[in-house]
Amino acid sequence: AQSVTQLDSHVSVSEGTPVLLRCNYSSSYSPSLFWYVQHPNKGLQLLLKYTSAATLVKGINGFEAEFKKSETSFHLTKPSAHMSDAAEYFCVVTPPGNAGNMLTFGGGTRLMVKP
Amino acid sequence: GAVVSQHPSRVICKSGTSVKIECRSLDFQATTMFWYRQFPKQSLMLMATSNEGSKATYEQGVEKDKFLINHASLTLSTLTVTSAHPEDSSFYICSARDKDRPTDTQYFGPGTRLTVL
Repeated sequence: AQSVTQLDSHVSVSEGTPVLLRCNYSSSYSPSLFWYVQHPNKGLQLLLKYTSAATLVKGINGFEAEFKKSETSFHLTKPSAHMSDAAEYFCVVTPPGNAGNMLTFGGGTRLMVKP
Repeated sequence: GAVVSQHPSRVICKSGTSVKIECRSLDFQATTMFWYRQFPKQSLMLMATSNEGSKATYEQGVEKDKFLINHASLTLSTLTVTSAHPEDSSFYICSARDKDRPTDTQYFGPGTRLTVL
């Protein structure tokens, strides 16, 4: 069984300040982990993925995430927020080597960026 | 990159009518497609897994007679909401798995906003 918890339903930051979106997972194996972004009324875009290679994963648009097995966490960060980053972010877990199936979504975090 | 399209992007219908939503993989073949439902300000919930040439597998609590899924080709899956009611109003998102990269991540469509009056 696997589950994922996004600790904050809403995060508000000022433009130019760092972003931290928190994600904790529960899994009986070492999973693959993803972050997706969804802009209003749009589909999901893959930001980055962890698949048991380097624990620090760099994604698109300046985002990165660090897999910490001891803390069962996969937090998403960005050094400096842009207005265009305002969106819904989903942390997703899946069994290792099988991202084609069984995606389990977190509840989502809405990121708001203030000018 | 892999692209998945959905049509229509938005549909409004009267209660009791049926609505068909198409999901297409544009530059790859997909033996498996997935249908998700997303309520406002909520996460995605998997409704069913659609396999080309066979019956779809529905998640617990999803009525297969209400949400008809057909995966007639390697690039097209359709979801038909039959006898739609206002509670079926939602954002429906499909995703597809590249048959040549079956363990790779799913590719998501842009979604279809269904409003039932």
